[in-house]
Amino acid sequence: KQEVTQIPAALSVPEGENLVLNCSFTDSAIYNLQWFRQDPGKGLTSLLLIQSSQREQTSGRLNASLDKSSGRSTLYIAASQPGDSATYLCAVGSTSGSRLTFGEGTQLTVNP
Amino acid sequence: GAVVSQHPSRVICKSGTSVKIECRSLDFQATTMFWYRQFPKQSLMLMATSNEGSKATYEQGVEKDKFLINHASLTLSTLTVTSAHPEDSSFYICSPGQGARQETQYFGPGTRLLVL
Repeated sequence: KQEVTQIPAALSVPEGENLVLNCSFTDSAIYNLQWFRQDPGKGLTSLLLIQSSQREQTSGRLNASLDKSSGRSTLYIAASQPGDSATYLCAVGSTSGSRLTFGEGTQLTVNP
Repeated sequence: GAVVSQHPSRVICKSGTSVKIECRSLDFQATTMFWYRQFPKQSLMLMATSNEGSKATYEQGVEKDKFLINHASLTLSTLTVTSAHPEDSSFYICSPGQGARQETQYFGPGTRLLVL
């Protein structure tokens, strides 16, 4: 059974700082990995999708990496802004279908 | 990306009543619908997967008679929480799929259920 862990559970940084969120998974036989953003009381917004054959994806100030063999992914946020404050969720897609297994998230606060 | 709506966005009900949550895929033919539940400070947990026109498949520990799923069309799926109890209070989120492998997964905005 796939298990996804995210570290840290919460992170508070000053505006402008670069930061890294970590995600690890127990079963390396994945189809893809997605990073999502969730604002309080809201649904999920997809940030980046990395296929199992890829090593990284970039979108603006966000960069996600994937090391499938070691079961790890990182989300790098450059020059953080208060608007980046949210919970970031990592989800692993299984090879047997569209099922996603989510981590518990990292709650990020960027202080102005 | 796909536009997914849920109704209602928030609902408060008394214990013992039933609540129906609608999920509409507005520009996306959802042959599959995933229903997730999220308790406070926890991550999303898959409850069940439904395919249009057939019975839903429930995850271990999720009572199929309590959480009734109807997926009668490619644009609408409903989740009914029957005889709701306070422990059913949670955030329910739907996510449409197209059966075959798809890329980015899209999610509805969620429904906050509070059972008193």
